[in-house]
Amino acid sequence: DVKVTQSSRYLVKRTGEKVFLECVQDMDHENMFWYRQDPGLGLRLIYFSYDVKMKEKGDIPEGYSVSREKKERFSLILESASTNQTSMYLCASSLPGVGTGELFFGEGSRLTVL
Amino acid sequence: KQEVTQIPAALSVPEGENLVLNCSFTDSAIYNLQWFRQDPGKGLTSLLLIQSSQREQTSGRLNASLDKSSGRSTLYIAASQPGDSATYLCAVKGNQAGTALIFGKGTTLSVSS
Repeated sequence: DVKVTQSSRYLVKRTGEKVFLECVQDMDHENMFWYRQDPGLGLRLIYFSYDVKMKEKGDIPEGYSVSREKKERFSLILESASTNQTSMYLCASSLPGVGTGELFFGEGSRLTVL
Repeated sequence: KQEVTQIPAALSVPEGENLVLNCSFTDSAIYNLQWFRQDPGKGLTSLLLIQSSQREQTSGRLNASLDKSSGRSTLYIAASQPGDSATYLCAVKGNQAGTALIFGKGTTLSVSS
């Protein structure tokens, strides 16, 4: 079974702190994604990556950055956390589009910024 | 820009009932469509994936259909059970390189015993 692991299920941070959300997948997937999910807004794409050291902006990249130094790991970074970044963050991975393209998600990281 | 809509936003049914969840999308140029289940506070679990060349996929009591020309997909759940209570989301992937999935906002299903 594909496993996507998000290192922290629950985090509480203060405004202005630097926050790292880590995601690791064990199926050698090229594609990795970071979404945030908010009530009434659904899932919105923050960043995605199609290969090591590659990154592409999604719909809402402002206030976020990402790092993909190894194929299995995709990190989301909040350089200076703000209260409006309180949300559920979901990481996902998939094979490249020429394959099935099926998307597999981690359990999510619920971030609260005070 | 692709938009995905799921109606209704919430649905309550008694146990044993057959039900249909709806998903519509505005751009028919899709690569595939995927249905997910999400339990409260958890991540998304993939249920069914339909490629653009397929009409339907089945897994157990679940059947998903795809009509690309009309921009619609349905998820049919047979003989519903309380354990089916969850939020169901559909998502479409465009067939241009570099596109990610676009999600609907989901239908929250409650099955009462």
